[in-house]
Amino acid sequence: SQQGEEDPQALSIQEGENATMNCSYKTSINNLQWYRQNSGRGLVHLILIRSNEREKHSGRLRVTLDTSKKSSSLLITASRAADTASYFCATAPTNAGNMLTFGGGTRLMVKP
Amino acid sequence: NAGVMQNPRHLVRRRGQEARLRCSPMKGHSHVYWYRQLPEEGLKFMVYLQKENIIDESGMPKERFSAEFPKEGPSILRIQQVVRGDSAAYFCASSLLPTQETQYFGPGTRLLVL
Repeated sequence: SQQGEEDPQALSIQEGENATMNCSYKTSINNLQWYRQNSGRGLVHLILIRSNEREKHSGRLRVTLDTSKKSSSLLITASRAADTASYFCATAPTNAGNMLTFGGGTRLMVKP
Repeated sequence: NAGVMQNPRHLVRRRGQEARLRCSPMKGHSHVYWYRQLPEEGLKFMVYLQKENIIDESGMPKERFSAEFPKEGPSILRIQQVVRGDSAAYFCASSLLPTQETQYFGPGTRLLVL
């Protein structure tokens, strides 16, 4: 499997509920980033967490990083219908130049 | 301050034709990255360029694909003799400095090969 695998692949929740998505990776990283992509659109950068950080918040978003388990989670609290999108984690592997490595994404549907 | 611009947004080509995808980075950015996204998949790195130089093309297919970022004008991703498997969304991103942080993505070009 590839670097940056998201889990679950698809998630359906009701508006107001929390959504949790997980990302696992294989190699050492400099940072890990989460992006959102609305259907047929480009990517929007949500949040970046560096390898020496364990948790980060931005509005309704909370990201954790566990480098010992090579995993990260993205929590969206009090979800809204407008949060419906695909969410991708992207890792910045060490010794990999300036590329980002993306996972396959989690497709989130928030029902009104 | 315009973001990363890509054109065309949609491109239809028949097998064997050439596809040219253009990317204008954010103002002042001299580092451009191209990624490809197949349907229902994540983005895959293709190539990283600075002005007039290819820095990392480890993700580029060895044949038919080329990229450039001239001193003046946009970055161009060129696909010769397209095949159906080239159908994908192609995204470019730019950054002010060479970085794995803060890459700003464009809206993408969706290529359909008939």
